[in-house]
Amino acid sequence: RKEVEQDPGPFNVPEGATVAFNCTYSNSASQSFFWYRQDCRKEPKLLMSVYSSGNEDGRFTAQLNRASQYISLLIRDSKLSDSATYLCVVIHSSASKIIFGSGTRLSIRP
Amino acid sequence: NAGVTQTPKFRVLKTGQSMTLLCAQDMNHEYMYWYRQDPGMGLRLIHYSVGEGTTAKGEVPDGYNVSRLKKQNFLLGLESAAPSQTSVYFCASSYPHALMNTEAFFGQGTRLTVV
Repeated sequence: RKEVEQDPGPFNVPEGATVAFNCTYSNSASQSFFWYRQDCRKEPKLLMSVYSSGNEDGRFTAQLNRASQYISLLIRDSKLSDSATYLCVVIHSSASKIIFGSGTRLSIRP
Repeated sequence: NAGVTQTPKFRVLKTGQSMTLLCAQDMNHEYMYWYRQDPGMGLRLIHYSVGEGTTAKGEVPDGYNVSRLKKQNFLLGLESAAPSQTSVYFCASSYPHALMNTEAFFGQGTRLTVV
């Protein structure tokens, strides 16, 4: 079983829709959580950190559920420019490894 | 503002050849990583380093070696390339994760094809 699992998608939604992704992690020692965005043939870039209390950045909301070991990303009022692959990222407290999920592909159609 | 620089950006190797990928960062980061990305597989950690002179194995270390002789450089070596090592390779660097909001910065990737 992979340490970080994501639904690969693709999610194909119309512009203006709300879309949500989940990511589950198996290591309970995981300490830090992030969402990264990767455009086609480009390097991943940080989208937002995920805090235990949940956090919002404009149209993006991230939440963490430690009891169930999953994190989520909600995108409201989706734009064409949101089309990308979204990567869930987990960092262990005991090691220095950054572990990526395999990514969820999102495609926004006009 | 170079950030993380990978060289080369593209390379074609014949099976059995060797090569070294160079990653250089100018942000004084302690931690550096090498990943490979294959279709549908996401980024898989090959090796990583938590400081100059130290390296550790990640999820898929076989067939690769690394060295961190200088803090700013992290080298990935393929001693005898195999077609299974055809992939896109990404290097990343970050501050120690005791800082909760630390961000990993990536290089632009190296597209390697082994024929």
